[in-house]
Amino acid sequence: DTGVSQDPRHKITKRGQNVTFRCDPISEHNRLYWYRQTLGQGPEFLTYFQNEAQLEKSRLLSDRFSAERPKGSFSTLEIQRTEQGDSAMYLCASSLDFTRLAESYEQYFGPGTRLTVT
Amino acid sequence: AQSVTQLGSHVSVSEGALVLLRCNYSSSVPPYLFWYVQYPNQGLQLLLKYTSAATLVKGINGFEAEFKKSETSFHLTKPSAHMSDAAEYFCAVIYGGSQGNLIFGKGTKLSVKP
Repeated sequence: DTGVSQDPRHKITKRGQNVTFRCDPISEHNRLYWYRQTLGQGPEFLTYFQNEAQLEKSRLLSDRFSAERPKGSFSTLEIQRTEQGDSAMYLCASSLDFTRLAESYEQYFGPGTRLTVT
Repeated sequence: AQSVTQLGSHVSVSEGALVLLRCNYSSSVPPYLFWYVQYPNQGLQLLLKYTSAATLVKGINGFEAEFKKSETSFHLTKPSAHMSDAAEYFCAVIYGGSQGNLIFGKGTKLSVKP
């Protein structure tokens, strides 16, 4: 079991540039979540996928953000025209779907991608 | 709005002392409740969860939490703190009717003094 992996671990970019992050979930997990964590705060939900379908998006996810999960495996999160306010840790988590009862509510997190916009 | 409140952004205890981190949720319907730990520059690791079974839940590293519906609380405890427990702890909930996304508290940073 390799766990949830994220790439890159750190990204420094200049304001206005586009960035893309990748998340590889645990292989048998159907659900994949993206969260954003700013300094001194708990993670905040951005969006989630059930297999390849994006089923919910937070109002935090502006038009500059887009996420995909082709073929229901890995996922990418792209931020266009980055702003300094986008600087944060972006966390990915995966879980089984709810038909697997209690254990399906457990979300396993990756190490995160720390984005710094200068 | 549904929320999670963690009292105390920073808690400091001596090694060997009791650890108590507080968490309250805002719902008349008991949600699913979790405690996660985060070490610097790392992701979150699940400590324990409550999913409507036993109200006293035991987790990893000697931590446990008790669900109290009357107090809408899910406080985290450990009888004897160890230096390696120093980290940030997050209480999180999944409310009924949601799509399963976690709502997190702001976190409590635990310091352990030798």
